[in-house]
Amino acid sequence: NAGVTQTPKFQVLKTGQSMTLQCAQDMNHEYMSWYRQDPGMGLRLIHYSVGAGITDQGEVPNGYNVSRSTTEDFPLRLLSAAPSQTSVYFCASSTDSSSYNEQFFGPGTRLTVL
Amino acid sequence: SQQGEEDPQALSIQEGENATMNCSYKTSINNLQWYRQNSGRGLVHLILIRSNEREKHSGRLRVTLDTSKKSSSLLITASRAADTASYFCATDAFSGGYNKLIFGAGTRLAVHP
Repeated sequence: NAGVTQTPKFQVLKTGQSMTLQCAQDMNHEYMSWYRQDPGMGLRLIHYSVGAGITDQGEVPNGYNVSRSTTEDFPLRLLSAAPSQTSVYFCASSTDSSSYNEQFFGPGTRLTVL
Repeated sequence: SQQGEEDPQALSIQEGENATMNCSYKTSINNLQWYRQNSGRGLVHLILIRSNEREKHSGRLRVTLDTSKKSSSLLITASRAADTASYFCATDAFSGGYNKLIFGAGTRLAVHP
């Protein structure tokens, strides 16, 4: 199993550009989530999904959209990039939404917005 | 807002020494998890402790939980250079009908040979 994969690994955008961060998992996990990690802030939850067709907002959803058309994929869209969105983005998945499940993380996407 | 907060922010020790990291949280929890992050990598799950457990062991790791003080500690015994990483606690939070994990800011551990 590849686990959780993310593409791209690095990305530089100009303010106002849009892009999609890709996330895929091959473990048949129902629960997937997106976090951003900023220095001294830990990980903050952006959006999450408890299954195909079901998504909800986390702590910091503004400026981001998600969809979950399949169990495997959970892309994160930046609608109009801003310098405040410069961060490292992690996708994670777990068996289901039970809080007793460990989360499996992807390697991250380092995004810089100029 | 963050549920868990780690202390200290950074810790530097020599190989062979023990490392202790603490986590405090604000609201009631069902469980608390600890994760490790090596530089430039994603987080890796270390251990989960349930709210009705007081102590749990996994290899060189020992986790304690004091629900009355809303705090947990992670002890790494006989540390190695390979333990150099950031360590995060994560607590469960239930809102909007679903469970979420809320992470603290982490403790950066440096183990020197």
